[in-house]
Amino acid sequence: GESVGLHLPTLSVQEGDNSIINCAYSNSASDYFIWYKQESGKGPQFIIDIRSNMDKRQGQRVTVLLNKTVKHLSLQIAATQPGDSAVYFCAVSDQRRSSGSARQLTFGSGTQLTVLP
Amino acid sequence: NAGVTQTPKFRVLKTGQSMTLLCAQDMNHEYMYWYRQDPGMGLRLIHYSVGEGTTAKGEVPDGYNVSRLKKQNFLLGLESAAPSQTSVYFCASSYNVWGGRQETQYFGPGTRLLVL
Repeated sequence: GESVGLHLPTLSVQEGDNSIINCAYSNSASDYFIWYKQESGKGPQFIIDIRSNMDKRQGQRVTVLLNKTVKHLSLQIAATQPGDSAVYFCAVSDQRRSSGSARQLTFGSGTQLTVLP
Repeated sequence: NAGVTQTPKFRVLKTGQSMTLLCAQDMNHEYMYWYRQDPGMGLRLIHYSVGEGTTAKGEVPDGYNVSRLKKQNFLLGLESAAPSQTSVYFCASSYNVWGGRQETQYFGPGTRLLVL
């Protein structure tokens, strides 16, 4: 089955710097990729998603890059702020294992991002 | 809109006891999901539902049952709790529209369960 791994369990960055969080997946048929942010004691919050027909997608201060050749996904956060401190999860989905658009997501174990003052 | 809400927030059970976790959403979503999250791990799908009256197994369904009697509610039951079911449980919901943001799953705040 699908496995999803994150390269670093923890990441510390200075306030104002850019952050890059990486994720690797194993299933080459995965076609939908999502990044979630989880603050302590809360549920995961959607950040940005990307489909396999795209290489890059930008949101507000965030960019997701997808490299299907090496099965790698990254989340870039520009001008990191203290409010960005959280655990970040990538999740991937293979349409063949899902029921219509009820996506079965496989989550990575998360990267704890700490923003230093 | 409240989004996705979960009841209770925290519960302690003894081994062998039963309980039901309630998830409610007010976004008129067709699909609903139950996940568990263990320390150092990502979320794992327990069961999901693609509509009222339907349920399906996810990655880790053993020891759990679910029911979707109303579109807005999704119940997760533990008939005989075991210490291995100590976890944080998250409910999520999503639309049934292909593509775009419509496939995004929106999560509730979680229920922390401790089984002694």
